[in-house]
Amino acid sequence: GQQVMQIPQYQHVQEGEDFTTYCNSSTTLSNIQWYKQRPGGHPVFLIQLVKSGEVKKQKRLTFQFGEAKKNSSLHITATQTTDVGTYFCARLSNTGNQFYFGTGTSLTVIP
Amino acid sequence: DGGITQSPKYLFRKEGQNVTLSCEQNLNHDAMYWYRQDPGQGLRLIYYSQIVNDFQKGDIAEGYSVSREKKESFPLTVTSAQKNPTAFYLCASTMGGQANYGYTFGSGTRLTVV
Repeated sequence: GQQVMQIPQYQHVQEGEDFTTYCNSSTTLSNIQWYKQRPGGHPVFLIQLVKSGEVKKQKRLTFQFGEAKKNSSLHITATQTTDVGTYFCARLSNTGNQFYFGTGTSLTVIP
Repeated sequence: DGGITQSPKYLFRKEGQNVTLSCEQNLNHDAMYWYRQDPGQGLRLIYYSQIVNDFQKGDIAEGYSVSREKKESFPLTVTSAQKNPTAFYLCASTMGGQANYGYTFGSGTRLTVV
């Protein structure tokens, strides 16, 4: 199907540790988007990746798009309590009319 | 400030009743979407609209209806035919008619059927 698999489902880290979530597809992706949803909140768009092998950084967040465009990752360096939330990846549908969201990775940061 | 407004934030409904969730945007976005979110699951698309007076079913449209009479508004009706309506409903919009831009989400409506 057009779903994307996201792992892990949950991750608990000590504050200051790094965190990575992965998004995998069985088919080639035209692009991938990442969103963050704080507890009790709504998803907020973080970034879109389009090119094979693309790497983008936003402060402590590093986003990568695989060379084969079938996977993507979000890495957070030295987590802070403000990083708590669920991180979703989303892939564009084959028709280009909508995005399919992964099941998300819930990040808990222990102070 | 531009954004998407969803109302109400919390909604309680008795079984057998229809209920309409409001979604209004002042971003001048062409495309609007309704997603449903259940605990431990990702977002699932209910309906979307790329232009006024036109909309398409998403993956879980059964038991729901929408209208798009104005560019700014995309209300969702949860009908009594929806078997498990308790969920968090999110409205989103994006520029252009293609979903190639980041979505802007509203703050959501938590619907509980009692």
